Amino acid sequence: DAKTTQPTSMDCAEGRAANLPCNHSTISGNEYVYWYRQIHSQGPQYIIHGLKNNETNEMASLIITEDRKSSTLILPHATLRDTAVYYCIVRVARIGNDMRFGAGTRLTVKP
Amino acid sequence: GAGVSQSPSNKVTEKGKDVELRCDPISGHTALYWYRQRLGQGLEFLIYFQGNSAPDKSGLPSDRFSAERTGESVSTLTIQRTQQEDSAVYLCASSLGGATIYFGEGSWLTVV
Repeated sequence: DAKTTQPTSMDCAEGRAANLPCNHSTISGNEYVYWYRQIHSQGPQYIIHGLKNNETNEMASLIITEDRKSSTLILPHATLRDTAVYYCIVRVARIGNDMRFGAGTRLTVKP
Repeated sequence: GAGVSQSPSNKVTEKGKDVELRCDPISGHTALYWYRQRLGQGLEFLIYFQGNSAPDKSGLPSDRFSAERTGESVSTLTIQRTQQEDSAVYLCASSLGGATIYFGEGSWLTVV
C-alpha cells in the first residue's frame, strides 16, 4: 500500500472547519483514500473514503486533488468531541488486503 | 451483534502467565484483524483472517503470540508467557473484505 504523510498535530477552534491534509504522492490508480479517527481510549472509527471524486457524509467531506496525490478531510463545524487522532490510509479495496495505520494527525479542538 | 465485541475489556496478569483475548466480529463479516496499540503509540498490525484462507500472520511479534478463528466467527488471540512489554490495548476489527473495517473497543492488557 502507498505511504501517506500527515502533520503530527493540528489545532482548531470550536465551531470552525477543521481541514486535515494528507499527502499520498505514490498512490496507485486502484487505491482508495480512507480516513479513520481514534478518540482517546477507544477503538478507531471509520469516517469516510473515496477514489477520485469528492465525497461527503454526515461526519465529514473528503476532497481529493485531481492528480490524487493529496487529499483533505474537512470537519465542517468542529466540536470538542472531534478531538482525536486522525489517520489517512491508502489501500486497494480488494478482498484479502490488510490495512496499516501510520502515526496520524492529533487534532485538538479548542473552546 | 451490532458491533465488534471484545472480551475481557480489562485484564491484569502476572508476568509469565498465559492470556486469551476474545473477539466476536460483526455477523457476516468474513475478514477479521487483530492490532496492538501500546500506550501513546500507533496501531501495530498483528494478524488477519479472511474466510477459510490461511491467515496473514506477518505482524505477530514472536512465537508467544498466536491466534485462531472458528470459521467466520469468533477469534481468540493467545499470548503465552506474558512479558511486561506485552502491556497494551489489543484491538480487533472486522469487515466484509476489501471495504471499511469496524473496530471493537479493545482489550486492555496489563502485565505486572
